[in-house]
Amino acid sequence: AQKITQTQPGMFVQEKEAVTLDCTYDTSDPSYGLFWYKQPSSGEMIFLIYQGSYDQQNATEGRYSLNFQKARKSANLVISASQLGDSAMYFCAMRERADGLTFGKGTHLIIQP
Amino acid sequence: EAGVAQSPRYKIIEKRQSVAFWCNPISGHATLYWYQQILGQGPKLLIQFQNNGVVDDSQLPKDRFSAERLKGVDSTLKIQPAKLEDSAVYLCASSFLPQGLNTEAFFGQGTRLTVV
Repeated sequence: AQKITQTQPGMFVQEKEAVTLDCTYDTSDPSYGLFWYKQPSSGEMIFLIYQGSYDQQNATEGRYSLNFQKARKSANLVISASQLGDSAMYFCAMRERADGLTFGKGTHLIIQP
Repeated sequence: EAGVAQSPRYKIIEKRQSVAFWCNPISGHATLYWYQQILGQGPKLLIQFQNNGVVDDSQLPKDRFSAERLKGVDSTLKIQPAKLEDSAVYLCASSFLPQGLNTEAFFGQGTRLTVV
């Protein structure tokens, strides 16, 4: 079974609009961490934001925020005021225990001027 | 601060040949990972080292893939013999110890392997 599901293979968004990238996850472990990474065409993975399963507040980092709905097992990334430089692949990932990250298939975001 | 270094950036080989990739993690990072990213998919963990010991290699195809991390610093991932389905980007990442749920992994730019 997929542990991380990203249902949007691609998205087109107008510059300056907000965009929400969907992520649902599956785990029976009560303690886990959720990450979002950005992968531009150059290939490196850039860490954006983290949410712990016990965190009471939704995580925010600048223009990035994470809409964490624990009961629904969803961890959607919200990018406010999108910019042309936000065009990239976006990956949701989960860590359980001290394991490596398990990634979803990603969403290809294209920001249009 | 220098990032995770990987070489080569690109490699094209014929099937059944062997190939090796090198990774130098961020100084002081005890944990090192190798991921395989097939086109159109997210990265898949192949192996995780803590210092020079293997923590998890459950998804490493051990009949053809091998990895080592001598002296707990640099690491080499080898494929022998390569198959067409090994065409992918191989990403190396590293992180600090102790590793908690929120420990960020820092990634290199990857090696793009094409098997023809």
